[in-house]
This record gives sequence, C-alpha cells and structure tokens, in this order.
Amino acid sequence: AQKVTQAQTEISVVEKEDVTLDCVYETRDTTYYLFWYKQPPSGELVFLIRRNSFDEQNEISGRYSWNFQKSTSSFNFTITASQVVDSAVYFCALTGGYQKVTFGTGTKLQVIP
Amino acid sequence: DSGVTQTPKHLITATGQRVTLRCSPRSGDLSVYWYQQSLDQGLQFLIQYYNGEERAKGNILERFSAQQFPDLHSELNLSSLELGDSALYFCASSAPHRGGRDTEAFFGQGTRLTVV
Repeated sequence: AQKVTQAQTEISVVEKEDVTLDCVYETRDTTYYLFWYKQPPSGELVFLIRRNSFDEQNEISGRYSWNFQKSTSSFNFTITASQVVDSAVYFCALTGGYQKVTFGTGTKLQVIP
Repeated sequence: DSGVTQTPKHLITATGQRVTLRCSPRSGDLSVYWYQQSLDQGLQFLIQYYNGEERAKGNILERFSAQQFPDLHSELNLSSLELGDSALYFCASSAPHRGGRDTEAFFGQGTRLTVV
C-alpha cells in the first residue's frame, strides 16, 4: 500500500521568508514517482514537479527547490523568498506501477504581505 | 492551461438526481483518472481508465460509474445524489511512460458539484 504524509496542515509565513513543506511517503515499489502539485484559491491543480525513485538529485527551479532523500523517504519542497502568490494548498503525491496517484492531505500555505 | 478539459465547471442539483461530468484528456494521453476532493476526505482517487478499459478502482461508490469512450473522452456518472456528494471532481490524464508506467498526471480545472 502507498501512503503520503504531509504533517503540516497549515503554515503561515511573512512575505520574503523561506518555507519548507514536508512530505514523507511509504511504498513497497522499487520504482516510483513523486510529485508536487499546487492548488491556488481558484481551485485548479497545477503540476509542479515529478521525480523518479532513481534520481536523488535535488532540483531547483527559480524560487522552488526540492530535496529528495530516499533514506528517509522524504521529498520536501522549499520556497525561497516567498510571495503572496505562493499562497495555496500544496499536495505531495506518489505513484508506482500501474497505479493511481496517492495524494497527501495537503499543506495550506499562507504568505502574509 | 493543462490541456485537460472538464465540463461543466459548476453544477448545482438536488438530492436524488443524476449528473454526468465530462472530461477530455490531453491530446495523445490514453489514461484518464477521476478524483473527488471534499473538505473532509481530501483528494480521493475514484477510478482510472486506460484506452477505454478500466485499469484501477479506488474509493468509488456503487452509485457512481465511469466510462472512457473510443475518442478517449471520459464521463463520470453520479446517481442518487446525496448532500455528501458535494465536492470538487477532478479529471486528470497522463501519457504512458516507457515500460507502461504512467507518470505525471495533468489535471483539469475540476467540476464543482453542489447537491442541495
């Protein structure tokens, strides 16, 4: 069975602060994919990143960075110099094999101006 | 724009009624997924179709059914609606990766269903 845990239900930061969203996963698959999605107040789900289980290199995209650590089954997401537009619910997700994507419960990020 | 189109965007209906939600996947994607997002349950996987065939089933109620048509669009049918079925229903599509594993799923904007 797959499981994704996002222990942080809600986080508030002041604009320009850095913030890290935690994601811990469980899977028995040896090959799997991890994702982050953003759901802004408008409701749509926006794909941010996919990482496969064989690639533990950290990734940076602008103000976003991801830290994948297989040893701790974690795939954390950091936003540097947060902005009000970053306010959203962020979902971490996992899929392996011919399976549906399993989502975490989401972390609501509020960036205060 | 993800390339996945869902209609309608909003739907208000009464208890006991039946509705059909429609999804057009991204061009070339063979897999379609349906998800329900409610306040208390979070994002729940309902069902997956691949090239017209049901591939995986999640927490889908017997009152709900889905199908994927030869042109790859999909419909989710919800019947005998209850107040608790009010939720945001997402459709997602993905292209098969090498080895048959699906990778990233791109989501439609969702259909907000309100049952009154």
